[in-house]
Amino acid sequence: QKEVEQNSGPLSVPEGAIASLNCTYSDRGSQSFFWYRQYSGKSPELIMSIYSNGDKEDGRFTAQLNKASQYVSLLIRDSQPSDSATYLCAVSWDGNQFYFGTGTSLTVIP
Amino acid sequence: SAVISQKPSRDICQRGTSLTIQCQVDSQVTMMFWYRQQPGQSLTLIATANQGSEATYESGFVIDKFPISRPNLTFSTLTVSNMSPEDSSIYLCSVGSGLTYEQYFGPGTRLTVT
Repeated sequence: QKEVEQNSGPLSVPEGAIASLNCTYSDRGSQSFFWYRQYSGKSPELIMSIYSNGDKEDGRFTAQLNKASQYVSLLIRDSQPSDSATYLCAVSWDGNQFYFGTGTSLTVIP
Repeated sequence: SAVISQKPSRDICQRGTSLTIQCQVDSQVTMMFWYRQQPGQSLTLIATANQGSEATYESGFVIDKFPISRPNLTFSTLTVSNMSPEDSSIYLCSVGSGLTYEQYFGPGTRLTVT
C-alpha cells in the first residue's frame, strides 16, 4: 500500500516568516512529486513539481526532495496571509496514479 | 496549462437517483482522471479515463457505480449511480500533462445526496 504522510497541522506562522511543510512517502519507486495549494471551497492548484534530489526554487517557494530518506518538503518564504490554505503533497510512481497526503492547513497571521 | 470546466458546479440529489458530471478541456489531452474529495479529506482517485479504452478503476470503485465515458480527447463524463448520502462529496476531474506527469484540476462538482 503506497502511503503519503503529511504533518496535519494546523500550522500557524506570522506574516513574513518561513513556513515549512513536510511530506514522507512509502514507495521507493516514486518518481514524481508535487505540491498543491487548495483554498477552502476551491480545487487544488499545482504550485511546485520536483523530480530529482535537491532543491527547486520558484519565487517564494522552494521544494526539497531527498529520495534516500523518502522525504519531500515545501518552504514558503516571506509568508503572506494569502498563503493561508491547505497544502497537499502528491506522489506518483508511474505518472498515472497520484497518491495524495491528507494535507497541511497553513494559517499566516498578519 | 489547460482550461478545465465541469458541469454542474453543484447539485442536490435524492437517494437512489443518478447524476452525470461533465468535464470539458480546451485542448486535447491523453489522460484524464476522476477524483473524489469527501468533506475534510484528501483526494482519492476513482479512475483513469483514456480515450479509446475502458476506464481503469481504483480499488473500491466499480464501473456499475461510477460509469465513465471518454468519447474524445477533450471531454469525459462521470456518472454517480444509485446515489446514497455516502456519495456526498466533491468530484474533481483532472488532466495529465504528459511528459511532466503534472495534473491540473477542474473546479469540481459539489454533490449532496439527501
